[in-house]
Amino acid sequence: TQLLEQSPQFLSIQEGENLTVYCNSSSVFSSLQWYRQEPGEGPVLLVTVVTGGEVKKLKRLTFQFGDARKDSSLHITAAQPGDTGLYLCAGAYFSGNTPLVFGKGTRLSVIA
Amino acid sequence: DTEVTQTPKHLVMGMTNKKSLKCEQHMGHRAMYWYKQKAKKPPELMFVYSYEKLSINESVPSRFSPECPNSSLLNLHLHALQPEDSALYLCASSRAELYGGAGTYNEQFFGPGTRLTVL
Repeated sequence: TQLLEQSPQFLSIQEGENLTVYCNSSSVFSSLQWYRQEPGEGPVLLVTVVTGGEVKKLKRLTFQFGDARKDSSLHITAAQPGDTGLYLCAGAYFSGNTPLVFGKGTRLSVIA
Repeated sequence: DTEVTQTPKHLVMGMTNKKSLKCEQHMGHRAMYWYKQKAKKPPELMFVYSYEKLSINESVPSRFSPECPNSSLLNLHLHALQPEDSALYLCASSRAELYGGAGTYNEQFFGPGTRLTVL
């Protein structure tokens, strides 16, 4: 059972276009993290959202945590080739000694 | 400094070899993790150390043996691996192993990984 559903799995767009990646679950999370990973490298933490309804901006990237803390989105404005990579969301549960749950990732390719 | 370092970057070993992967962080984090990542898949958790004690072992075969000599170092000893163990091995750390309600305490910072090939 995939506890965190990420969509789309693959996305290929032209430079300058906008895009949104979604991370959905039926579970409630205490916080949710977004990572970007390039081939052969480790994931790099982009942002952590911890409050329901929270919106965080990182230059052209906008992250939102759903009011019910079950979903999150990542919106990229005017995508650039340097945005190419695997985007992973990971959720932390409120209780229990349960590790982070990772989504399967969204592989983004931005073509110049 | 949010850096986690891993050595070696690449490792090729035979099925009868013994080798070790090393991970180091100087952020004062007290939780450290080993993950295995196959191509086009998300990272899979293998082990968690909290305050230098093994707290989670995700049913990993005994040919993988973790060790946490101190709060900054994490090793993964490899022995008699199989070709299917070839993968990217990632180390991560976080301030604490708190999985609930503590905001950013469970933010995990990953190292660059070791690309392991078992022949």
